[in-house]
Amino acid sequence: QSALTQPRSVSGSPGQSVTISCTGTSSDVGGYNYVSWYQQHPGKAPKLMIYDVIKRPSGVPDRFSGSKSGNTASLTISGLQAEDEADYYCCSYAGSYTYVFGTGTKVTVL
Amino acid sequence: EVQLVESGGGLVKPGGSLRLSCAASGFTFSSYSMNWVRQAPGKGLEWVSFIISSSTYIYYADSVKGRFTISRDNAKNSLYLQMNSLRAEDTAVYYCAVHGYRESGSSNWFDPWGQGTLVTVSS
Repeated sequence: QSALTQPRSVSGSPGQSVTISCTGTSSDVGGYNYVSWYQQHPGKAPKLMIYDVIKRPSGVPDRFSGSKSGNTASLTISGLQAEDEADYYCCSYAGSYTYVFGTGTKVTVL
Repeated sequence: EVQLVESGGGLVKPGGSLRLSCAASGFTFSSYSMNWVRQAPGKGLEWVSFIISSSTYIYYADSVKGRFTISRDNAKNSLYLQMNSLRAEDTAVYYCAVHGYRESGSSNWFDPWGQGTLVTVSS
């Protein structure tokens, strides 16, 4: 299982929007609507931000949204805030209760 | 409040063994599948293993298959990872994570996570 491809870094000013892509194959991202996204601050455990491509857990701000087209999923952060600066990872179901994570994207708030 | 506390990490020589534990509280552990996910220093996340609530179904990443064994004791609210034939590339923080907790949907997500335990494989 090869890691899903994410940009190494994205950046934006406070209030702007940024989008992180997550590209896989028809065996993972493209084959299932089971993509999740995780936020990880330095030294901390990951936190679930989006699940099942577009669903947002309770407590996650609505400025976080997810989408998918073909083999590429995306996470958009609208109205960027300083506390959004973190690493973000996508993850996709890959069949038979196996999962593959993305390479990770560092979001910088300028 | 859900709590997951990993333990058992440490320094081990290549070829050695280690057993990680994850103590769960604040939810009905026996009702949920569980996972181990690892993160090498400065690197990304890697899914390691999945175990269904009844232990009937168990799956591994190819990178650990045949060397690692996941198990659980629902009476003790505990998850385990027996790691044998350890290699330098197994050096990582190991997290336990609940499978599909709380939200309604496919259950194909990890939440919440423990704080992790560091395993270092070095001579």
